[in-house]
Amino acid sequence: DAGITQSPRHKVTETGTPVTLRCHQTENHRYMYWYRQDPGHGLRLIHYSYGVKDTDKGEVSDGYSVSRSKTEDFLLTLESATSSQTSVYFCAISESTRQGGFYEQYFGPGTRLTVT
Amino acid sequence: DQQVKQNSPSLSVQEGRISILNCDYTNSMFDYFLWYKKYPAEGPTFLISISSIKDKNEDGRFTVFLNKSAKHLSLHIVPSQPGDSAVYFCAASAFGNEKLTFGTGTRLTIIP
Repeated sequence: DAGITQSPRHKVTETGTPVTLRCHQTENHRYMYWYRQDPGHGLRLIHYSYGVKDTDKGEVSDGYSVSRSKTEDFLLTLESATSSQTSVYFCAISESTRQGGFYEQYFGPGTRLTVT
Repeated sequence: DQQVKQNSPSLSVQEGRISILNCDYTNSMFDYFLWYKKYPAEGPTFLISISSIKDKNEDGRFTVFLNKSAKHLSLHIVPSQPGDSAVYFCAASAFGNEKLTFGTGTRLTIIP
């Protein structure tokens, strides 16, 4: 089991409120990712990090920001939540394979967010 | 633009028979492919992978086949068991790229 935890596991919030989701790893991996999973869309990358204070946007980054002040923690913030951000959010960490240059990702248990 | 496609949203297979899940990709730069399995209320778990230097990789009941010329891969599960009922995601990446591109998933149901 990759040591990845996410908090909270479930959250209900109102439109317009800020929300922060936390991902914590015990593996000391360099790369961390935030995805959202929606029916018919699979897993879509929101933001990822390639080191402390180093982050970049994914394909669905609008309305989201991230921060990584320590190797083990990667935070996802919805500055002003909207109903379209109701989703299941997964954090992942990554390491390269033995061959090097290829990366396998390991996922946390997910956070179910409902914006009413 | 969906670079990784899983055209079958769902598949039902009798227990003990072979399950075949398919995945197509359009980006010729992809050279590493992975399958993930996801149960409800859990995160996806890594199942098996294959690099483009191979056309087959086997791990127990799970075999992944890669056809580079057709830009197609498939996951074979044999024999299928009730615990294989889950959503399966195909993913792809290019060498040196730490990001994965995922398909939309196929829900596999094993019928006892």
